[in-house]
Order: sequence, then structure tokens, then C-alpha cells
Amino acid sequence: DTAVSQTPKYLVTQMGNDKSIKCEQNLGHDTMYWYKQDSKKFLKIMFSYNNKELIINETVPNRFSPKSPDKAHLNLHINSLELGDSAVYFCASSQVLRLATEAFFGQGTRLTVV
Amino acid sequence: TQLLEQSPQFLSIQEGENLTVYCNSSSVFSSLQWYRQEPGEGPVLLVTVVTGGEVKKLKRLTFQFGDARKDSSLHITAAQPGDTGLYLCAGADTDKLIFGTGTRLQVFP
Repeated sequence: DTAVSQTPKYLVTQMGNDKSIKCEQNLGHDTMYWYKQDSKKFLKIMFSYNNKELIINETVPNRFSPKSPDKAHLNLHINSLELGDSAVYFCASSQVLRLATEAFFGQGTRLTVV
Repeated sequence: TQLLEQSPQFLSIQEGENLTVYCNSSSVFSSLQWYRQEPGEGPVLLVTVVTGGEVKKLKRLTFQFGDARKDSSLHITAAQPGDTGLYLCAGADTDKLIFGTGTRLQVFP
């Protein structure tokens, strides 16, 4: 059973399109995150949600809109895609929103904007 | 802005060699985690260190948290091809992890 699953794994789309990435965790965790990993493998947090409530929005363009319908799901919708949005997006979850809590990551979604 | 710099950025070694990866910051972190990421996968936690000066061992991997809790190191003894991957340190901020710049390790048989 996959703990944190995200779909799709690969996404190729044209500039200007709108796309969504879905994430689900079956660990019963309260907190979920979206991270972006660039071509140099640098991993940066974008958003975090705790019990469906937005906690962190790290100065991400408002073309990116996360939505958490329940605490097991955190989806990421991206409007008007740009070339610079190409990256690997990781969903993650942790038991609580607290220091030193292990983060469990999904397999990532490789987004390529052409 | 908190920044965690890892060195070296890339490391290619032969099986059986020893290596050390460093993770340095000017900020103090309450704890620090090390993750390993394999191609096409998400990072997986290896260890969490919490106390300044703490040393933790995980088989051939030894992790150390600096006394001032600003730096950490990962030492691998007798590296094996299965150790190949991207190693990421991550400092715990109030409500998020700050990831380091990463070290790509390749171990050749």
C-alpha cells in the first residue's frame, strides 16, 4: 500500500494551459505539503496544510492554488502554465505540524511545460 | 533566509571507499534530518538528530549534529553501489523543513 501517492507521475503540457496534480495519503497524518524540486535538485516548500487549513504559502505565484478537500488529500492546481514551472513537484505528509517530525514523500510529478 | 549548504555537491567513488558529506548553516536548528532520494522517487528519511553533539549510527552510516546545532555530517564507511543517490539534509524550522542543496553520490562497483 502506497503511503503518499500522487498522480500523474509525468505531465507534459503547453504554455498557458491549466493542470492539476492530485495527492492522497493513507497514513492518517494531519499535515500535508507541496514541495518543488528544480533542475539542480533543490527542494523548496510551496505550501503546507494542517487539517485542511492553509498554514504556509511560501511566496508562490497565485497561479498555483492548493486545495484540501479533507485531511487525506491535497491537490495542486496550476493556471496559465509557464516554462519556468517545469520541475518535479512532490507531495508529502507528516503526522503533526511540529519540529522534527518525519516527512513522507510521494514519488513526485515531473511537470514539463513546452 | 535560512540556507543549508551541502558539500561536496557531487561525489563519485569506488566501492569500499569511505566518504563524508557536510551540511552547514549560519542558522541554529532545533533538529536536523537526513534524507536519501533515488532517481524517480521521493526523499526517504534516514535519521533525525536533535541534540547538539549527538552521534547516530545506522549500519555503515554515521550522522553527527554539531555542538552549536548549525551543522551536521554524514559519514559512510565502505560505500556500496546501493548507497548511490541524492543525500539531503533538512533543518527543522518552526513549522517546515528547510532542505539543503544536496549531495549526489555515485558509488561504482
